[in-house]
Parts: sequence; C-alpha cells; structure tokens
Amino acid sequence: DGGITQSPKYLFRKEGQNVTLSCEQNLNHDAMYWYRQDPGQGLRLIYYSQIVNDFQKGDIAEGYSVSREKKESFPLTVTSAQKNPTAFYLCASSIGGTPGVETQYFGPGTRLLVL
Amino acid sequence: KQEVTQIPAALSVPEGENLVLNCSFTDSAIYNLQWFRQDPGKGLTSLLLIQSSQREQTSGRLNASLDKSSGRSTLYIAASQPGDSATYLCAVTSGSRLTFGEGTQLTVNP
Repeated sequence: DGGITQSPKYLFRKEGQNVTLSCEQNLNHDAMYWYRQDPGQGLRLIYYSQIVNDFQKGDIAEGYSVSREKKESFPLTVTSAQKNPTAFYLCASSIGGTPGVETQYFGPGTRLLVL
Repeated sequence: KQEVTQIPAALSVPEGENLVLNCSFTDSAIYNLQWFRQDPGKGLTSLLLIQSSQREQTSGRLNASLDKSSGRSTLYIAASQPGDSATYLCAVTSGSRLTFGEGTQLTVNP
C-alpha cells in the first residue's frame, strides 16, 4: 500500500527543546517537501529536497533543519530558534523535478503544540 | 512575488446546489495551477491540475477553468453533496515554487 506517513500525529514541545517530525514515503519519489500551515492560511514551504543528500531552503526555513540521507525519509527538526512553532506540518513528495511541476502527494500531517 | 487569493473564505450551501470557488493570482507567468481538497486535520488531496496551456480540466462533478491572462481560476462543483464539505485550496507553480491560497471552507448542508 503506497503512500506517505508522518509521525507522530500530535507532538508537544517544551521551551528550548528541539523536536523532530518524521516523514516516510514508499512511492519511490525523488522529491520531498515540508510545509507549514497556520489556521486560515495556505501552506508555506519550509524546505525541499530533489535528491538524496541535497536540500534547499524554502520561504520560511529559519528555525528549522532537515536531512535527506535516504530516498524514503525526510525528517524535519524544529529547533529552539523557531519562536512560534505551533502549527500543522505537512510533508509531501513528487516524482521529481521542480516543485509544483508534478503533482505532489501529501501525508496526513503532524500538529505541533508548545507546552 | 506570487500571491494567491481565494474568495470566499467560507461558503455554506444546501445539498444539490451548483457552486463556484474563485482563485486569483498576481503573476500570470505560471507553469500550472492545482486545486486541492483538505479535510479537517488531514493532509491535502489533489483534485485537478491545469497546465498553463490548458483552459480547463474536468473530473466527475468538478470542473476547473484557468484564465492565465487575467490571473483567475474557478472550481465549479455540480450537484453538491454533504461529502463535499472540506477546505479547497488553490496553488500555482511559478519560479520553482508552489504558492498556495488561504483556502475556501465549504459546508454542504443536508
């Protein structure tokens, strides 16, 4: 059953703590993306990766970091430098190439809350 | 910088009604435009993708049109059903970015 999985569904962060959101896909897609969604707003691109061991900053990368050591996995770390991390985080993947050229497939999302 | 706006922000209609959702964008140099559906607390599902050279795309009761020169797209939903209740997001690809609108929250009442 192919798709994108994100875990956990809910994540709580304490002040000054780094937390990591997981994203895994078994679609054999080259490209993967992380978006942030705030209430009543559209999605904003945090980071994207078009190939293993390579990634680029999106529009709101400050306070976040990523890695792409395997084709299937693209974890996102929300660092303590991100002062307003409460949001819904969505991971997506596509066959490859420039973001948006191919249809992106989205995971179910992780809701991050600050304690 | 590309900006995408969706009107209205929320819409409530009775079951069976035909309806139109609107999307506008500021930079007409787009590669494509996509419409997505998002259920509460869930990820996005792609509904329709219109290439910049196309005028419209249809899938079942959904029809999306694109007027690139005026920076507008519409999503037409025929014979709406309660199961259509969701947030509908429009997104355009330009300059290697996918830029999203804020979405229209649709409620179809039985």
